[in-house]
Amino acid sequence: QQQVKQSPQSLIVQKGGISIINCAYENTAFDYFPWYQQFPGKGPALLIAIRPDVSEKKEGRFTISFNKSAKQFSLHIMDSQPGDSATYFCAASRRGGGFKTIFGAGTRLFVKA
Amino acid sequence: NAGVTQTPKFQVLKTGQSMTLQCAQDMNHEYMSWYRQDPGMGLRLIHYSVGAGITDQGEVPNGYNVSRSTTEDFPLRLLSAAPSQTSVYFCASSPQRANVLTFGAGSRLTVL
Repeated sequence: QQQVKQSPQSLIVQKGGISIINCAYENTAFDYFPWYQQFPGKGPALLIAIRPDVSEKKEGRFTISFNKSAKQFSLHIMDSQPGDSATYFCAASRRGGGFKTIFGAGTRLFVKA
Repeated sequence: NAGVTQTPKFQVLKTGQSMTLQCAQDMNHEYMSWYRQDPGMGLRLIHYSVGAGITDQGEVPNGYNVSRSTTEDFPLRLLSAAPSQTSVYFCASSPQRANVLTFGAGSRLTVL
């Protein structure tokens, strides 16, 4: 049973465009929602994260939008660059329980120059 | 800082063989975990540990064994390798009461 559903599986965006990746979760006990970025041959690394008491968090070109009632959250990458080409994972965990983080299936993003 | 170090980076096994994937972290993190990454499946939790001497099962524990004798090390043992265990394995650690995972570079395992 996949507790975090992620879409799309792959995404191609033109340089300068907006990349949007969506996730939905089932367990209302989750209270921490990170996004991880993974480059080929590397381990995932934390990109940005949000807690459900806010509806949006922005860090540079990366923004998380969070809809608690719909149990959905999304990652927006503004002004997408070829260097953003990577696999992105949404995830969910409970406060203090990061060791049991549940991940989505991942989205492979390719930004065309 | 080395962070999380995994060895080996690549390994080929025959069905039925056993082996151990090593994981070590130098950040004094209490929590450590093992994930496997398969295409279209994301990262699935195999086993985790909240401290030395304490381990528990994740989503997909069958066929794997772990132990945690020190804070730094968290080895993953494959008891009798099967082709279904062909995957990329990641070790991750995090501080207590924090949700940020630091991952190793991964170990790619092929079982023939």
